Amino acid sequence: GQQVMQIPQYQHVQEGEDFTTYCNSSTTLSNIQWYKQRPGGHPVFLIQLVKSGEVKKQKRLTFQFGEAKKNSSLHITASQTTDVGTYFCAGRWGNQFYFGTGTSLTVIP
Amino acid sequence: NAGVTQTPKFQVLKTGQSMTLQCAQDMNHEYMSWYRQDPGMGLRLIHYSVGAGITDQGEVPNGYNVSRSTTEDFPLRLLSAAPSQTSVYFCASSYTLRGGAGDYNEQFFGPGTRLTVL
Repeated sequence: GQQVMQIPQYQHVQEGEDFTTYCNSSTTLSNIQWYKQRPGGHPVFLIQLVKSGEVKKQKRLTFQFGEAKKNSSLHITASQTTDVGTYFCAGRWGNQFYFGTGTSLTVIP
Repeated sequence: NAGVTQTPKFQVLKTGQSMTLQCAQDMNHEYMSWYRQDPGMGLRLIHYSVGAGITDQGEVPNGYNVSRSTTEDFPLRLLSAAPSQTSVYFCASSYTLRGGAGDYNEQFFGPGTRLTVL
């Protein structure tokens, strides 16, 4: 089956520091989605990237899709305690979505 | 709109018992899916449906059945529960917007069912 690798698995940052999580696929993706899951909660959609080389920003969050549509990244500038949670990428092949293992972000005040 | 609802929130089963996890959505989404979430393994797709009467297997379908008789409901059946099926189960639904660069399909997740099989 398809696989989406995501690193790092855990990240601890001081409040105000930047944070980046990376997703990689061995095959070309139709699109990639990013989700955030707060502790004890359910995944919440953040964004979808479709085009090769696409870059999208949401306030302090920057999302990139690689030129070959095989990798993606999420960068958070100046982390805040409200950013705490697990961030997942999900790659789409046909009608199926394959999630990365997630990056758990802890922000130390 | 209630969005995606799941029942029950918690369930404890004994090995060999059967049960049905309920999922419903009121957004008229064609696509619905079931995932299981285990520590360190992200979310894995169990089954999905692209519309009423159409279902297909995902990454980890063994031990689970689904049906889609209406657009709104997508129940997941565990035929004979096993300890390996202890997990958190999420149902999701999505619409599809056709675009020039590709389809846009945001997934909306339910609150989840935490299942323990003893």
